[in-house]
Amino acid sequence: NAGVMQNPRHLVRRRGQEARLRCSPMKGHSHVYWYRQLPEEGLKFMVYLQKENIIDESGMPKERFSAEFPKEGPSILRIQQVVRGDSAAYFCASSPSGQPRETQYFGPGTRLLVL
Amino acid sequence: GESVGLHLPTLSVQEGDNSIINCAYSNSASDYFIWYKQESGKGPQFIIDIRSNMDKRQGQRVTVLLNKTVKHLSLQIAATQPGDSAVYFCAENTGGFKTIFGAGTRLFVKA
Repeated sequence: NAGVMQNPRHLVRRRGQEARLRCSPMKGHSHVYWYRQLPEEGLKFMVYLQKENIIDESGMPKERFSAEFPKEGPSILRIQQVVRGDSAAYFCASSPSGQPRETQYFGPGTRLLVL
Repeated sequence: GESVGLHLPTLSVQEGDNSIINCAYSNSASDYFIWYKQESGKGPQFIIDIRSNMDKRQGQRVTVLLNKTVKHLSLQIAATQPGDSAVYFCAENTGGFKTIFGAGTRLFVKA
């Protein structure tokens, strides 16, 4: 049973470019969570999605960031017009049913570097 | 805002000794707590969890203690091994979808 998959593992972008981060949840999981981690810090919640629905995006910056989880295919975290402050590790987690207090399983992360 | 924090940013222990990693939280409404282990270059890995109706829970070589009176959580690792070297995060959940992470404690295991 494959775990949560994320790609790319490393992404380098210049300021002003777009970054697209992909996440495939564990088999049988239909709930996806995105987190951001700055160096030497904990993970900060960004958004929680079900298939075709955004359930909670209270941790997402108001501008330039968007997320989707289409009926088919991986979840996408999109960052437009990246700035240096966007450099971080972005982790995706998934859970089976999205119930409160349900264990979330994390992917290996995408490390974004903005030059 | 964040309500989970850790007392010590780094902890160094001798191989074979027991490790204790501490965590404080401030949200009285939190009723579910999780410990994660994160190795360099990897995502967080679930270790053990505990609900607020419990004071103690044991896993394989790990024990989590919860003191709701002082809002304190600890992770005990028995017979620490080199493979235990990592950053450990406590996290809390108030029954919703968000998991709030603390800043992390880096554990070094000396051979």
